[in-house]
Order: sequence, then C-alpha cells, then structure tokens
Amino acid sequence: ETGVTQTPRHLVMGMTNKKSLKCEQHLGHNAMYWYKQSAKKPLELMFVYSLEERVENNSVPSRFSPECPNSSHLFLHLHTLQPEDSALYLCASSQDRGFSSYNEQFFGPGTRLTVL
Amino acid sequence: AQKITQTQPGMFVQEKEAVTLDCTYDTSDQSYGLFWYKQPSSGEMIFLIYQGSYDEQNATEGRYSLNFQKARKSANLVISASQLGDSAMYFCAMSFLENTGFQKLVFGTGTRLLVSP
Repeated sequence: ETGVTQTPRHLVMGMTNKKSLKCEQHLGHNAMYWYKQSAKKPLELMFVYSLEERVENNSVPSRFSPECPNSSHLFLHLHTLQPEDSALYLCASSQDRGFSSYNEQFFGPGTRLTVL
Repeated sequence: AQKITQTQPGMFVQEKEAVTLDCTYDTSDQSYGLFWYKQPSSGEMIFLIYQGSYDEQNATEGRYSLNFQKARKSANLVISASQLGDSAMYFCAMSFLENTGFQKLVFGTGTRLLVSP
C-alpha cells in the first residue's frame, strides 16, 4: 500500500449506530487531518493531529470522536449521527504541521457516508 | 479572514485546447501558499501545483501553470492541451499560519471541468 488509504470507502448507517472510519498513511508523515466535504461547500477541516497530539478541533460536534494511536493511523468514531452528517470524509497527511507555507497535504480517497 | 473564491461552478473545454480556472483569495498575511488540487470522481484530492507568496515566477508543472497576480490576489490555473482524463473537480486552496502555530489549508468551492472529444 502506498500513500493514504481509507476504509471503508462507502458506509451507510442509521442514526443510532456506532461506526468508525479508518485512515492509514504510508508516507512517514507526522501530521494527519480529517476533512468533511459536503455538496457545494468548501472542504471543512474537522481535526488535526501532529505527532499523535490533537492540535485543532474546529468546533466539531461531540458525535464525532477522533483517535490517533500512532503517527500512521487515524480514526474517526461516529455515534448518533444526523442525516446532515452525510458527506465525503477525507483524510490527509503532511510531513509536519507546517512551519512554512509549503505544507503539501496528501489525501486519501475518502469515505462516502450516508446517514439514514 | 482567509477566503478562497472560485466563481466558475462548471467549465467546458474541447480536447487539446487550453482552459483557465479562476481563483481569487483574500488574506492580510504576507506569507501564504496557494495550491490547486484535482478531485476525480473516485474522490481523492490530487495535488497539482503550488505557488508561494514570495515566489516571483509563476509555478509550472507539466501541462499545469499557475498565473499568479499578487496585486489582484488571483491564482488562476491554466491547463494546456486538455485531455479527457482532465475531467474532474478542481479546487484552489490557500495555506496560512494560524495563531495555534500550524499551517491551515482553506479551500474554495471548486470548479467542475468537463473535457469533450
């Protein structure tokens, strides 16, 4: 496996379910990100981890719970979601949290989430 | 606040022609970076090209070039000799240093490019 991988690619869940999204990066990067992409809206940054420490939480509802057990893996735990949470969830990684303006982020293919 | 504006929701171009995708940005920072990403229907965001705010020359990467006009705060993407495989969503993004001390990436709403034979 190379780059950034995400599983599952598609997920359908009810509002009372609990599920988790997984992201793995094979690039040796130190920072990882969760983004939400809704139709006709810009990508929204949800969480940032740098060296397994959360450095950013953009006022995301508590029904989304991230976990970063090591610098290669990132999870997004989901519980009691709402239909408006249906979106494409993208994971990304970068070399570090960015000390220069050039901080290229490498993205995974995303998980298409549908909440019924 | 930092903001990226892409005013073209959709663009059409014929194969082998050039196309320009517009991007304007708003920031009061002196140091920032501008990125273009391509998102095919498969979902992943593919990095295309980068321009630093202090770079005097326009960035080029193969068939992609970034027309950087700092005074107008625009960073248009030019794709030369379009190919059918260029059909995708294209996002302009800007990186800037937040108060937290890390670089944040802000995206525009994207432009859908369709290349016809």
